[in-house]
Amino acid sequence: GQQLNQSPQSMFIQEGEDVSMNCTSSSIFNTWLWYKQDPGEGPVLLIALYKAGELTSNGRLTAQFGITRKDSFLNISASIPSDVGIYFCAGLPNTGNQFYFGTGTSLTVIP
Amino acid sequence: DSGVTQTPKHLITATGQRVTLRCSPRSGDLSVYWYQQSLDQGLQFLIQYYNGEERAKGNILERFSAQQFPDLHSELNLSSLELGDSALYFCASSEAATHYEQYFGPGTRLTVT
Repeated sequence: GQQLNQSPQSMFIQEGEDVSMNCTSSSIFNTWLWYKQDPGEGPVLLIALYKAGELTSNGRLTAQFGITRKDSFLNISASIPSDVGIYFCAGLPNTGNQFYFGTGTSLTVIP
Repeated sequence: DSGVTQTPKHLITATGQRVTLRCSPRSGDLSVYWYQQSLDQGLQFLIQYYNGEERAKGNILERFSAQQFPDLHSELNLSSLELGDSALYFCASSEAATHYEQYFGPGTRLTVT
């Protein structure tokens, strides 16, 4: 099946720093979603992307749909302690109806 | 609050037993998805229903089954439970089959002893 490689696996940053993470696939995707999950809770949708090259912001978060359609990027600017959590990418390949999730990036923000 | 509800929140049962997890989607959403998340693991897609019919199937075991009812709520049935089935089970919903922004419920934590 499809695999989404998400990197980095974990990040430890100082409050106020910017964060970048990415998600890559071996095949072309039609849709990319980015989620944040706090421990023991359900993932919360952050940003949805539907077109190659699309750049979408949600507050301090910005995500991009890669032009090759095989990757997506999430940036968080001026991180704050409440940004702590696990960030997942999810994608829908151009064939099939099944969504695939990345392995997650664990973010720790040091005050 | 995503608007997706799941019951029960916690479930503890013994190996070999059968359980039913329930999910109510957001008002107006026709698609329901089920996911399994084991400890420190990512989300594994199990199955999707759209307006009562199965739309997509992932890595769902034969011991597991699901359905979506006319009122659009969904149930996930897990039978012949094994220790390895212990996990968080999430339900998500989206507006339509082709509107893929999925909103997740709070999950059901299943512990098999």
